[in-house]
Amino acid sequence: AQSVSQHNHHVILSEAASLELGCNYSYGGTVNLFWYVQYPGQHLQLLLKYFSGDPLVKGIKGFEAEFIKSKFSFNLRKPSVQWSDTAEYFCAVNAGSNDYKLSFGAGTTVTVRA
Amino acid sequence: NAGVMQNPRHLVRRRGQEARLRCSPMKGHSHVYWYRQLPEEGLKFMVYLQKENIIDESGMPKERFSAEFPKEGPSILRIQQVVRGDSAAYFCATTGQGAVGELFFGEGSRLTVL
Repeated sequence: AQSVSQHNHHVILSEAASLELGCNYSYGGTVNLFWYVQYPGQHLQLLLKYFSGDPLVKGIKGFEAEFIKSKFSFNLRKPSVQWSDTAEYFCAVNAGSNDYKLSFGAGTTVTVRA
Repeated sequence: NAGVMQNPRHLVRRRGQEARLRCSPMKGHSHVYWYRQLPEEGLKFMVYLQKENIIDESGMPKERFSAEFPKEGPSILRIQQVVRGDSAAYFCATTGQGAVGELFFGEGSRLTVL
């Protein structure tokens, strides 16, 4: 089974600051990679996903993530955060298109101060 | 996605009681996954069901936990004789296909065992 590590438990930023959340996984085979976000009081929703192709993935709300296979990493970035980006962010991995079990990281809580 | 409905959102039980958590999939979705999030941890896969079938319950505790997805009605996760360690957020996710593309999550049911 895969394991997923998110390096930061809680990140506090000011508006307009840049954000980078680390995610590393431990699986040597083909992987699909995901970032989910959970805004306060809401359900988890998909920010972006990587299955194959360009390792730099663009998602919704100005987020992007870069898959670096040699580092087993899939870090999430946003150049300029807004107060509305306050949420919990989860990295998730599965072992290819026939693997329905997502392995999640513990999550990173991001607080953006106005 | 608001289409996946979970209830109750919050449930309080005393030790030894039973907890029943319900999940109604998005329209057109017939694959249901239950995940559990313990405090300070990521979401952990519990069980994967299709209508009237349990496909994979490898993440379910061996005792006291059961899940079903009947032909009619919601999927139900049942926890008998709850203990304090069962306190967690239980998330349901659904897809319209077995292999993982995007999982659509409900808002979760938070169980507190006193």
